[in-house]
Amino acid sequence: QVQLQQSGAELVKPGSSVKISCKASGYTFTSYDMHWIKQQPGNGLEWIGWIYPGNGNTKYNQKFNGKATLTADKSSSTAYMQLSSLTSEDSAVYFCATGSFDYWGQGVMVTVSS
Amino acid sequence: DIQMTQSPSSLSASLGDRVTITCRASQDIGNYLSWFQQKPGKSPRLMIYGATNLEDGVPSRFSGSRSGSDYSLTISSLESEDTAIYYCLQYDKYPRTFGGGTKLELK
Repeated sequence: QVQLQQSGAELVKPGSSVKISCKASGYTFTSYDMHWIKQQPGNGLEWIGWIYPGNGNTKYNQKFNGKATLTADKSSSTAYMQLSSLTSEDSAVYFCATGSFDYWGQGVMVTVSS
Repeated sequence: DIQMTQSPSSLSASLGDRVTITCRASQDIGNYLSWFQQKPGKSPRLMIYGATNLEDGVPSRFSGSRSGSDYSLTISSLESEDTAIYYCLQYDKYPRTFGGGTKLELK
């Protein structure tokens, strides 16, 4: 069965960076896009971008250009998202989801606080 | 960016009621629309894709339809387990955009 296992919650300081992971199993990792989605507390969903692990191609929401960097490691079937220059506005839950948004990770809560 | 205007933002209904939630797209997106259900503390769950196609395992009381630029999610007979927030998503154009959500509660 398809599973996306995300890394644990992060408490990070303003101005720093964080890298969160999404380990895929139960399907061919290199054959499907992996999306990343942001959800701020009490708010809706915002699409950050996707990566195609087969060749590393990426597509970003312009709003997250310079903020999010998506990578993937084929050897471990793991997708990563690095968030940089963190501010309070980046405090949110971040989800990964497979290409048709049919499978989702459990989410990672990132809290930016001094 | 394509705006997905979802209505209502909240809805209170009784068990057995027929419930309809709507998303209006600001541009043509064809049938590239999905619906998700999200319960507190959980990840979103895909319910409908391609505007009208029921995802495997989703109860048949859920259905999706389209009329022009208006897309609807209907629950034919509300059950208690259906209380959640529902979101639409357009996946025709970049960036992908979600509706603002509809919080469905029991009356």
